[in-house]
Amino acid sequence: AQSVTQPDIHITVSEGASLELRCNYSYGATPYLFWYVQSPGQGLQLLLKYFSGDTLVQGIKGFEAEFKRSQSSFNLRKPSVHWSDAAEYFCAVGARGSYIPTFGRGTSLIVHP
Amino acid sequence: DSGVTQTPKHLITATGQRVTLRCSPRSGDLSVYWYQQSLDQGLQFLIHYYNGEERAKGNILERFSAQQFPDLHSELNLSSLELGDSALYFCASSVESRFQETQYFGPGTRLLVL
Repeated sequence: AQSVTQPDIHITVSEGASLELRCNYSYGATPYLFWYVQSPGQGLQLLLKYFSGDTLVQGIKGFEAEFKRSQSSFNLRKPSVHWSDAAEYFCAVGARGSYIPTFGRGTSLIVHP
Repeated sequence: DSGVTQTPKHLITATGQRVTLRCSPRSGDLSVYWYQQSLDQGLQFLIHYYNGEERAKGNILERFSAQQFPDLHSELNLSSLELGDSALYFCASSVESRFQETQYFGPGTRLLVL
């Protein structure tokens, strides 16, 4: 079965600084990978997803993620963080043939002014 | 706003009770998914319905059941509630049930069992 690890429970950055949120997955083949964001009091919103092809994926709100097969990672990046990016971020993995993702435990992003 | 609505927003009840959570998918979406988010277990898939039929089950307890009605709204029934059932329950919808599709999440129902 697939699994996802988000090693950082909390990340604190200053507004305007760059951001990288880590995600490692475990799956025997090439997985489907997702990043979701959950703002306080809101449901999850899909930021980006990777199925195949170009390993650098562009998403909404200026986010991107890079799939690195050799490292079993799918880290989320943003060059300049805005205060409104403060939220919980979830990485998820889906197995080929299944449309139900397995979610990581999430990383809480705190943005200092 | 994702277009998925969930009612109620908050629910406080006692152990042993039964509650019903309601979800209305986006217009045109045939699939509804239910998830539970708790501090202990994180975000877990419970069950998926497609056009009225159950398609997949995840970590759903026997005390929990769901259905999807002809108008495509869905209800999640939780019975014999325990303290550990306190959680945020999300539903999500998508057009079909293919892996390529984006799931759109509702704002959730926060359940507190006292």
